[in-house]
Amino acid sequence: DAGVTQSPTHLIKTRGQQVTLRCSPISGHKSVSWYQQVLGQGPQFIFQYYEKEERGRGNFPDRFSARQFPNYSSELNVNALLLGDSALYLCASSLTESWGNTIYFGEGSWLTVV
Amino acid sequence: KQEVTQIPAALSVPEGENLVLNCSFTDSAIYNLQWFRQDPGKGLTSLLLIQSSQREQTSGRLNASLDKSSGRSTLYIAASQPGDSATYLCAVRPGTSNSGNTPLVFGKGTRLSVIA
Repeated sequence: DAGVTQSPTHLIKTRGQQVTLRCSPISGHKSVSWYQQVLGQGPQFIFQYYEKEERGRGNFPDRFSARQFPNYSSELNVNALLLGDSALYLCASSLTESWGNTIYFGEGSWLTVV
Repeated sequence: KQEVTQIPAALSVPEGENLVLNCSFTDSAIYNLQWFRQDPGKGLTSLLLIQSSQREQTSGRLNASLDKSSGRSTLYIAASQPGDSATYLCAVRPGTSNSGNTPLVFGKGTRLSVIA
């Protein structure tokens, strides 16, 4: 079975542009979370979605938004990009909203803002 | 606010050595703790998940322990191999109930190099 898949794997944007990152969870998983990992740091929570509803939001500005589709895939959008948004964006899925479930991460999308 | 610290930040050992990676957290009210492996430029691979009611979990050469009251976890790697070289991240799930929106809180990781 396929794991969590993310696209694109790498991209370069200029300051002020907008970016959309995509994520497909493991088949049967209904919960998707997004994390940002800056080089040398641990991942930081951005959003969690379950059954197409936002269930949690981290301490990120409103330039960051996300949504989950009926097939449980998800998109993360970042507007008005800043140099500091350069990071590895990780998508994770789990079976349900229950925190007892193991969370599985994708390979990530490397975003470079120049 | 929950904070997770991992010591050491980097570790280099010869092949075959047994080693211990440390993780500490400031608030003992956690639902579970998970250890991940991250290869350079890659995503995270889940290694072991310890529920708050458990003391340890084992998978192959890996053993993770949890002492919730003292806010500590260790990841023990037996007979290390060059293929074990990676960054190991510890993450806790704050809270005490099976509901609510408490995302994982990560440490910065320990970068392990196993020398052949």
